[in-house]
Amino acid sequence: SQQGEEDPQALSIQEGENATMNCSYKTSINNLQWYRQNSGRGLVHLILIRSNEREKHSGRLRVTLDTSKKSSSLLITASRAADTASYFCGSYSGGGADGLTFGKGTHLIIQP
Amino acid sequence: NAGVMQNPRHLVRRRGQEARLRCSPMKGHSHVYWYRQLPEEGLKFMVYLQKENIIDESGMPKERFSAEFPKEGPSILRIQQVVRGDSAAYFCASSLDRGHYNEQFFGPGTRLTVL
Repeated sequence: SQQGEEDPQALSIQEGENATMNCSYKTSINNLQWYRQNSGRGLVHLILIRSNEREKHSGRLRVTLDTSKKSSSLLITASRAADTASYFCGSYSGGGADGLTFGKGTHLIIQP
Repeated sequence: NAGVMQNPRHLVRRRGQEARLRCSPMKGHSHVYWYRQLPEEGLKFMVYLQKENIIDESGMPKERFSAEFPKEGPSILRIQQVVRGDSAAYFCASSLDRGHYNEQFFGPGTRLTVL
């Protein structure tokens, strides 16, 4: 699998339900960043979680990080139709590279 | 408090022409990154620049692509002799300090279509 690979690829839930997306990475990280992308738009930064943090909250968003499993999860509680978007996790692939590595994202659809 | 700005938002070029994409980072940010996104794909890192310097171009195609970030003015991604495979969305991001420890904030992107 590639660095920063999101799972599932697509997720469809009812409005009000919680949505959980996962991300796996391969190399050691300093931080991992979650982004949202609405169709045809740029990426919106959601949360940055550092390697020494295990959990972080921002409004209805909760991100966890398990460095032993090289994985992270993004939980959106009480989902809304406006949460419909693609969600990406970005991490550094190591070797001093400065660019974030992203997977193909999780496409989240909130059914009204 | 303007975010990262990119222009043009849409660019159409014929094969063989040149494409110039511009990016103005957030105020106070001196670190700029360029990414390319193909349809239904994630973003792929191309190049990282600081003012007047290319720091990491490990994701940049070897030919036809170049980038600069002059002392004054926006960062420019230049694609010479475009081909249809260059059609993609190109995103610029900026950060306050080197990205490993800081958030990268993205612009709205430039969608390049090569006819």
